[in-house]
Amino acid sequence: KNEVEQSPQNLTAQEGEFITINCSYSVGISALHWLQQHPGGGIVSLFMLSSGKKKHGRLIATINIQEKHSSLHITASHPRDSAVYICATETSGSRLTFGEGTQLTVNP
Amino acid sequence: EAGVTQSPTHLIKTRGQQVTLRCSPISGHTSVYWYQQALGLGLQFLLWYDEGEERNRGNFPPRFSGRQFPNYSSELNVNALELEDSALYLCASSFIFSKNQPQHFGDGTRLSIL
Repeated sequence: KNEVEQSPQNLTAQEGEFITINCSYSVGISALHWLQQHPGGGIVSLFMLSSGKKKHGRLIATINIQEKHSSLHITASHPRDSAVYICATETSGSRLTFGEGTQLTVNP
Repeated sequence: EAGVTQSPTHLIKTRGQQVTLRCSPISGHTSVYWYQQALGLGLQFLLWYDEGEERNRGNFPPRFSGRQFPNYSSELNVNALELEDSALYLCASSFIFSKNQPQHFGDGTRLSIL
């Protein structure tokens, strides 16, 4: 059974701080997704990666396939980054298994 | 480009009733996914439809079912509603033959069971 664990569960930062959210999983995967969920419930896909590193603006996602670990970094954090960040692994059959999410609050 | 649209946005039902939720994927997307986000349980995979066929199913009882229409829109049906079915139901779409294409999510249908 694939387990996806995220840490930390909750994270409070000051505006401008560098933020890291970690994700570990237990089985081989075809891809890993990072998602952002705002209070209304809507989800935005931030990254989908199967190796290496991807960057989009202030967000960076990395994955280490051998260690079964991924990180999401936010540089120069801003209050509008406040949201729940969810890691999800994709296995056969396009099935996603989700982590519990990390609630990020960035204070001005 | 219009995103994934879901209807209705909110719904209140009572135990034992039946409900149908609807999802329209992004134009050109052939795959539709359904997820449940119940309070305290996180997101869980429900169903995957592609080209009108059910391709994969999560660990949910048979009273959760759905279908995909020729225009790739989809319905999720839940029969004999139970209190624990109260959740946000999210639909996502993708085009599986494009490498590394993420799933695009709708805003969800919030279902409350009284």
